[in-house]
Amino acid sequence: GAVVSQHPSRVICKSGTSVKIECRSLDFQATTMFWYRQFPKQSLMLMATSNEGSKATYEQGVEKDKFLINHASLTLSTLTVTSAHPEDSSFYICSAWTGETSRGYTFGSGTRLTVV
Amino acid sequence: KQEVTQIPAALSVPEGENLVLNCSFTDSAIYNLQWFRQDPGKGLTSLLLIQSSQREQTSGRLNASLDKSSGRSTLYIAASQPGDSATYLCAVYGATNKLIFGTGTLLAVQP
Repeated sequence: GAVVSQHPSRVICKSGTSVKIECRSLDFQATTMFWYRQFPKQSLMLMATSNEGSKATYEQGVEKDKFLINHASLTLSTLTVTSAHPEDSSFYICSAWTGETSRGYTFGSGTRLTVV
Repeated sequence: KQEVTQIPAALSVPEGENLVLNCSFTDSAIYNLQWFRQDPGKGLTSLLLIQSSQREQTSGRLNASLDKSSGRSTLYIAASQPGDSATYLCAVYGATNKLIFGTGTLLAVQP
C-alpha cells in the first residue's frame, strides 16, 4: 500500500529559530502534497497545496513567508516554519496524492512542534 | 463553500455494540469521500474510500455508505472493540481539488 513518511515526529525549538519538516512518499509518486495543521481536539485545517516543481498555493490566512513549502521532487515536500513563535506550536500533518481520484489520500504520521 | 459536519461529536458504547457514525456535506458535487481514523497524537489511517459513483464500501467490520444527492455518508462499525477507540474523520474531495475534513467523532468503546 501507499506509504508516506514524515519526519521528525516531534520537535522542540526555541522561539525565533526555524524548523524543517519533511514529507516523503515512499512507494509512489505524488503529484500533489498537502500540508495540514491541527489544533488540540479540532479537525485538520488545510494550510497549503504543493505541486512538484511549482510554487505552493496557500489557503487564506496562512502566511507564506512564515510557512515555506518546497516540493522539489515527486516524492519529497518540505515545510519550514520560519522564525517560530509559541503560537506556531501545533500538530502538522502532510498528505500525498497521486492525482488519481480513484485513489485516496495517504497521510504522514504527523509532527508535533513545540516552540518554547 | 463546502462544509462537512459529523454527528455525534463524541460517542461512548460498550464493547460488542454495533454503531453508526454520520457525516454530512453541503456541496454534493464531490469526486469521492474518505473515512479516516486518528489515534491520539498520530497521523491519519485511511479506512474506506467511496467514489462518487458508488453507494457503499466494505472492509472487515466496517461499512461505509454514500448518498451523494442528499449529502450524507455513514460509517457502520459492527461488533465494536476497545481497539476501535479513536477519532473518526470523514473528508470529501471535490471540484476545489482540496480534501475537506469533517469535525470528527471521538469514539470510546468500553471493555
